[in-house]
Amino acid sequence: DGGITQSPKYLFRKEGQNVTLSCEQNLNHDAMYWYRQDPGQGLRLIYYSQIVNDFQKGDIAEGYSVSREKKESFPLTVTSAQKNPTAFYLCASSGNRNSPLHFGNGTRLTVT
Amino acid sequence: AQSVTQPDIHITVSEGASLELRCNYSYGATPYLFWYVQSPGQGLQLLLKYFSGDTLVQGIKGFEAEFKRSQSSFNLRKPSVHWSDAAEYFCAVGAGFNKFYFGSGTKLNVKP
Repeated sequence: DGGITQSPKYLFRKEGQNVTLSCEQNLNHDAMYWYRQDPGQGLRLIYYSQIVNDFQKGDIAEGYSVSREKKESFPLTVTSAQKNPTAFYLCASSGNRNSPLHFGNGTRLTVT
Repeated sequence: AQSVTQPDIHITVSEGASLELRCNYSYGATPYLFWYVQSPGQGLQLLLKYFSGDTLVQGIKGFEAEFKRSQSSFNLRKPSVHWSDAAEYFCAVGAGFNKFYFGSGTKLNVKP
């Protein structure tokens, strides 16, 4: 079945360490997205990519970086510059213009 | 500016009762509208979408939503709620090329 795979499901890191969250899709979608979810705040867009080798900052890009070297993959790095990295991170993809977003099952990152 | 408002943060209904979750949006052009559901610790699943045509849209799990342009609303309804419907529900607007705006969510509790 086609879908989006995020790994790992749970991730623990010490403060000051960079960490990379994986997102892979086999839906043949051009666009991919990273959202951050905190309780009571809904979804906030971190980065998005509409095509390979191109990506744009979302609303809360500071302290994060991404790459899009392959259509299927859109990894997110949470750097030590991100002040409050503990959150639930969701990866999504979409096909044609305004097609619905398809979501992965998320990665819960805890930084102590 | 585009925005989505879900005025109810929490809603509790009895099993078997009807449900209506409210969503209001602000968008200058014809919107693409979506409702998603999220179980704890999971990603978001698409319930239904509205692009054009019939303003009453049927979705999965017995949900429906009605687009009312005059009220800028897209409320989600279900005639009889089941305990398994307890989750968080998000309304979203698709605006422009692969840009999405989410409401802050409504948590649904179902009383036995």
